[in-house]
Amino acid sequence: QVQLQESGPGLVKPSETLSLTCTVSGGSITSYYWSWLRQPPGRGLEWIGYVYYSGSTNNNPSLKSRVTISVDTPRNQFSLKLTSVTAADTAVYYCARVIYGGLGGFDYWGQGTLVTVSS
Amino acid sequence: QSALTQPASVSGSPGQSITISCTGTSSDVGRYNYVSWYQQHPGKAPKLMISDVSIRPSGVSDRFSGSKSGNTASLTISGLQAEDEADYYCSSYTTSSTWVFGGGTKLTVL
Repeated sequence: QVQLQESGPGLVKPSETLSLTCTVSGGSITSYYWSWLRQPPGRGLEWIGYVYYSGSTNNNPSLKSRVTISVDTPRNQFSLKLTSVTAADTAVYYCARVIYGGLGGFDYWGQGTLVTVSS
Repeated sequence: QSALTQPASVSGSPGQSITISCTGTSSDVGRYNYVSWYQQHPGKAPKLMISDVSIRPSGVSDRFSGSKSGNTASLTISGLQAEDEADYYCSSYTTSSTWVFGGGTKLTVL
């Protein structure tokens, strides 16, 4: 059974960089697309971006150039960096796997980690 | 990219059927059969209920079904049960190689 686990600081200061890692267990990171998503408290889901196991990426245009997503296949991990954070970036951050062989949904999710942006 | 449009809330009695709509554009819902639906209980991670418009993952009850017509996708839950009370989100792949979500629908089982 594939499992995903987010890890990283739960508190980040305004203007600093948010860094999270997702560790994949129970399966290989290769041959899949992997995504980061977030959910501000009491609000809906927002897709942040994806990384393919080969390293190619794409991000939500609304986050402009603040997002970097990378993959570490030997460690079966992928990571998110979000620069110049503000209070609006406070959210539960999820990592998830895109369904194999297609683009039709996210089939495995991490439990989520709350990141608060505050001084 | 604009969010997909879902009703804020729907409700139904146990045993009844409800349908949640999800309206997008010709650049997302109308362009691809890559619409998915998620169930989220409070404090929990979303759970995939429907992928690729109408495919139920293993383990998901056959009371859940999905469909699409033009730029609007729909999730139908038949034989409502108390455990179905949750938030539901739709999502679609887009022509920009991104994913977009709906604002979410709160389902209340009366």
